[in-house]
Amino acid sequence: EDQVTQSPEALRLQEGESSSLNCSYTVSGLRGLFWYRQDPGKGPEFLFTLYSAGEEKEKERLKATLTKKESFLHITAPKPEDSATYLCAVQADNDMRFGAGTRLTVKP
Amino acid sequence: KAGVTQTPRYLIKTRGQQVTLSCSPISGHRSVSWYQQTPGQGLQFLFEYFSETQRNKGNFPGRFSGRQFSNSRSEMNVSTLELGDSALYLCASSVVPLGQHEQYFGPGTRLTVT
Repeated sequence: EDQVTQSPEALRLQEGESSSLNCSYTVSGLRGLFWYRQDPGKGPEFLFTLYSAGEEKEKERLKATLTKKESFLHITAPKPEDSATYLCAVQADNDMRFGAGTRLTVKP
Repeated sequence: KAGVTQTPRYLIKTRGQQVTLSCSPISGHRSVSWYQQTPGQGLQFLFEYFSETQRNKGNFPGRFSGRQFSNSRSEMNVSTLELGDSALYLCASSVVPLGQHEQYFGPGTRLTVT
């Protein structure tokens, strides 16, 4: 069965302390992997799409990478405003499957 | 450019009733997907409509249904509500079919079933 697992569940960082979030997946027929950010009480906000192993994308302090089995979201020198839940999702043949998310807290 | 809008934002219904939720996509977007989000199960895909046709469907019972109109606006209906249907229902729109491009989410409709 298709599965998407995110780790860690929660992550607390000091401002400026870089780290990585992991998204591992087992799906047949991967068509795309997506990263979203979700703030409390709001819908997810699109960050990145990755389609093939080896692909990398960057936006401000965030960088997403993809291998055949997992994706990483690297956060460089985070700020308190980066605090949110980060979700990854995998598009397989017939549906979009989301991980449970990583709740990131960045303390000043 | 206006974002995805969902109405109503909050809804309280009684077990056994039915409910209809509405989603207006970003102008020019023809794909609308619906999701259910709960603390226990996370975000789960319900179905996707593109050009008025259901293209994909998640693993939900037949009580959950939807449709899309010619202007790309979409509605989702849940019949015979159960307590477990209490959730945040999100819709997302995209220019092209699901998976081929990024999706943009609305703020959601918070449904409470009592």
